[in-house]
Amino acid sequence: DVKVTQSSRYLVKRTGEKVFLECVQDMDHENMFWYRQDPGLGLRLIYFSYDVKMKEKGDIPEGYSVSREKKERFSLILESASTNQTSMYLCASSLILRDLVTDTQYFGPGTRLTVL
Amino acid sequence: AQKVTQAQTEISVVEKEDVTLDCVYETRDTTYYLFWYKQPPSGELVFLIRRNSFDEQNEISGRYSWNFQKSTSSFNFTITASQVVDSAVYFCALSELNYGGSQGNLIFGKGTKLSVKP
Repeated sequence: DVKVTQSSRYLVKRTGEKVFLECVQDMDHENMFWYRQDPGLGLRLIYFSYDVKMKEKGDIPEGYSVSREKKERFSLILESASTNQTSMYLCASSLILRDLVTDTQYFGPGTRLTVL
Repeated sequence: AQKVTQAQTEISVVEKEDVTLDCVYETRDTTYYLFWYKQPPSGELVFLIRRNSFDEQNEISGRYSWNFQKSTSSFNFTITASQVVDSAVYFCALSELNYGGSQGNLIFGKGTKLSVKP
């Protein structure tokens, strides 16, 4: 079974703090993704990575950065947290198939971040 | 533009009723994939099914069935004899073949919240 784990289920931070959200997958997947989920807006892609040290912006990258130093780990960084970044953050991973088709994405349990 | 529409925001049924969740998609590609995910109250998105655009056969898995119709760009999900444990938010998603360098990222609908009451 694919296992995607996230470092925290719940996190409370203060405005201006630097926040790290960690994601680890154990299936040797090339692709890793970070989404945020907000009521009424669904899931929106923040960043993704298709290889170590590679990253691509998603739909809403502003205010975020990412790091992928090892294949199994993908970190989401909030350089200076703001209240509008209070959200549920979901990490996912997938294989890359032939023709660069992305295989099924498997998700972690999510981190509910509150910024006060 | 690629888009997934789940018109039903919330559905409430009584246990043992059948329920269908609608999903309509838009894409300019001829090759694409469609998915359904379940998000129970615990928060984790659970993969349910993946379908490629060349396979229009309906799929049945226990009480779950999926009806894919390219002619209407729909990929509907039916739960037969619903149970309380089926209560969750269900998301339909679309992935295109390496469109625009995005490596087939998922485009999600906004989800349908299903409540099954005893």
